Amino acid sequence: QVHLVESGGGVVQPGTSLRLSCAASGFSFSSYGMHWVRQAPGKGLEWVAVIWFDGGDKYYADSVKGRFIISRDNSQHTVYLQMISLRAEDTAIYYCAKDVAEYGGYGGMDYGGQGTLVTVSS
Amino acid sequence: QSVLTQPPSVSAAPGQMVTISCFGSSSNIGNNYVSWYRQVPGTAPKLLIYEDIKRPSGIPDRLSGSKSGTSATLGITGLQTGDEADYYCGTWDISLRAVVFGGGTKVTVL
Repeated sequence: QVHLVESGGGVVQPGTSLRLSCAASGFSFSSYGMHWVRQAPGKGLEWVAVIWFDGGDKYYADSVKGRFIISRDNSQHTVYLQMISLRAEDTAIYYCAKDVAEYGGYGGMDYGGQGTLVTVSS
Repeated sequence: QSVLTQPPSVSAAPGQMVTISCFGSSSNIGNNYVSWYRQVPGTAPKLLIYEDIKRPSGIPDRLSGSKSGTSATLGITGLQTGDEADYYCGTWDISLRAVVFGGGTKVTVL
């Protein structure tokens, strides 16, 4: 069973940085792409970024391109989201998710955690 | 404004059927797999359908996915009060090189 534990959220001021982590278990981590998805208060789901199984390809939503960096450590079964120049509109619950497609491509996202809350406020 | 278009809400009585539509384009639904998610407010999303029609283990066959051209549909039969939630469709957009979601559909059991 996919188990994902997100951490690293908190309350930060605009313009500052934060790094989120997602520890994975229950599946062959190095064989699957990993996503970050966020949800602002009262809003729908917004995809943030994906990193394919070997870290070779990464894609970002336009809203975070140039400010967020996704990375992974397959030896630690962990995916990260480095966020810089945070804005009020980045306030959201951030979820990590495992892609169901093995070795790249998009097939759907399996969520296994409860997310971590990021609040950007002065 | 979401790239994929869903109705804001649908409703039906217990035991009845609802369908949720998801409209896109050739750059997304027309050429990529569609997935569907359920989210009860305050909880994480849950994968219901992946690769257009497949159900993860544990998802009952009351839920089904279909796709035709640039639109997809989630069907829920034998509606139960526990089905009340927000439902989202998602897919990959080859032009945006990004995952795109619909705006979500709230299902109400009357």
